[in-house]
Amino acid sequence: DGGITQSPKYLFRKEGQNVTLSCEQNLNHDAMYWYRQDPGQGLRLIYYSQIVNDFQKGDIAEGYSVSREKKESFPLTVTSAQKNPTAFYLCASSSPRRTGSYEQYFGPGTRLTVT
Amino acid sequence: ELKVEQNPLFLSMQEGKNYTIYCNYSTTSDRLYWYRQDPGKSLESLFVLLSNGAVKQEGRLMASLDTKARLSTLHITAAVHDLSATYFCAVDMLRQGGSEKLVFGKGTKLTVNP
Repeated sequence: DGGITQSPKYLFRKEGQNVTLSCEQNLNHDAMYWYRQDPGQGLRLIYYSQIVNDFQKGDIAEGYSVSREKKESFPLTVTSAQKNPTAFYLCASSSPRRTGSYEQYFGPGTRLTVT
Repeated sequence: ELKVEQNPLFLSMQEGKNYTIYCNYSTTSDRLYWYRQDPGKSLESLFVLLSNGAVKQEGRLMASLDTKARLSTLHITAAVHDLSATYFCAVDMLRQGGSEKLVFGKGTKLTVNP
């Protein structure tokens, strides 16, 4: 089955540590995205990538970094510079060139708690 | 800057009743998306509206798009408890150079009471 996987589902870290969240897709989608969602809030875009080896900052990129070395993978690193990292992180992908729409397909999410 | 506003943000309704959620956006776009999110879960795609006048229906939900008014509606008919969730609309923002991203509304939290 095609889809997007995120791991781990739950992640606990101590303040000051960097942590990397995994996102993998086998949908053959070109574009991938990372969002952050805080309790009771909407989605905020962190980073997005349209093609391999290229990515752009979203609205709240400070304290985060990404890489896109393979089409299938778009890992997100939450660095110690991110002041309030505790949140629900969602990865998504889309393929507008193939489907004609920018509909995004979402992974199951990673809930990060930093203490 | 594209802004997407949903209202209401919170909606409590009784089973069997009808209601409409509104999604307004600030710049020209002819593509709009509706998603559903259950508590603690990810987003699930509900509707993709790709042109002015588009109307799509699935069960008790019907979505429409009026690009001239920059407005989409999500109409709920004879609500049932299973429809309780948060509903998001999103508009795509094609920038210069072909960059692609969606701008999401803040979501409407729907609670359907027996």
